[in-house]
Amino acid sequence: GESVGLHLPTLSVQEGDNSIINCAYSNSASDYFIWYKQESGKGPQFIIDIRSNMDKRQGQRVTVLLNKTVKHLSLQIAATQPGDSAVYFCAEKRSGYKLSFGAGTTVTVRA
Amino acid sequence: DTGVSQDPRHKITKRGQNVTFRCDPISEHNRLYWYRQTLGQGPEFLTYFQNEAQLEKSRLLSDRFSAERPKGSFSTLEIQRTEQGDSAMYLCASSYTGGSTDTQYFGPGTRLTVL
Repeated sequence: GESVGLHLPTLSVQEGDNSIINCAYSNSASDYFIWYKQESGKGPQFIIDIRSNMDKRQGQRVTVLLNKTVKHLSLQIAATQPGDSAVYFCAEKRSGYKLSFGAGTTVTVRA
Repeated sequence: DTGVSQDPRHKITKRGQNVTFRCDPISEHNRLYWYRQTLGQGPEFLTYFQNEAQLEKSRLLSDRFSAERPKGSFSTLEIQRTEQGDSAMYLCASSYTGGSTDTQYFGPGTRLTVL
């Protein structure tokens, strides 16, 4: 069936560099996408979201890009810090309420 | 702390026992969701409430699972006759439909281990 997925399961980044985490989706009817960060032993933490009528949205040190033509979503983290080490999930909202998550990308920040 | 809270944080039980988890949503959030997350996977939707009404249940939610939200505030998730396959993190989230995006905010989860 249709699902949200991530391109790479792991990403290693040098502290201070920018990180890019990618996500592909296949449900063209999805109209809302969210990025969550999950640290070990904790619940997912909301980072940023974007509606399908937008192609870019910026937050504090984070930017989400949406390319509906190729059904691709990315999260960019500027000046990656050790505290950014976590698992990152993209999620798609379908049917107005429930979220469908991909498997996640584990980001490790090297000192 | 005004975020979503869950209790207990950890639960170890023997196969066949019943367990109950509690979720307290963010105040004034009218929607409450339950998800299950297994190791290395993203959360999977189980069920959701709008106020006290349970509006959808996933096929993942077998007859041994029941959820309630009696007064439209806190919710409980009960698993009867637990099986080893029930071992997972059970996450609760809440949202407010009056906002523009109905963003779901998650609690810390209850980690269940069935021996």
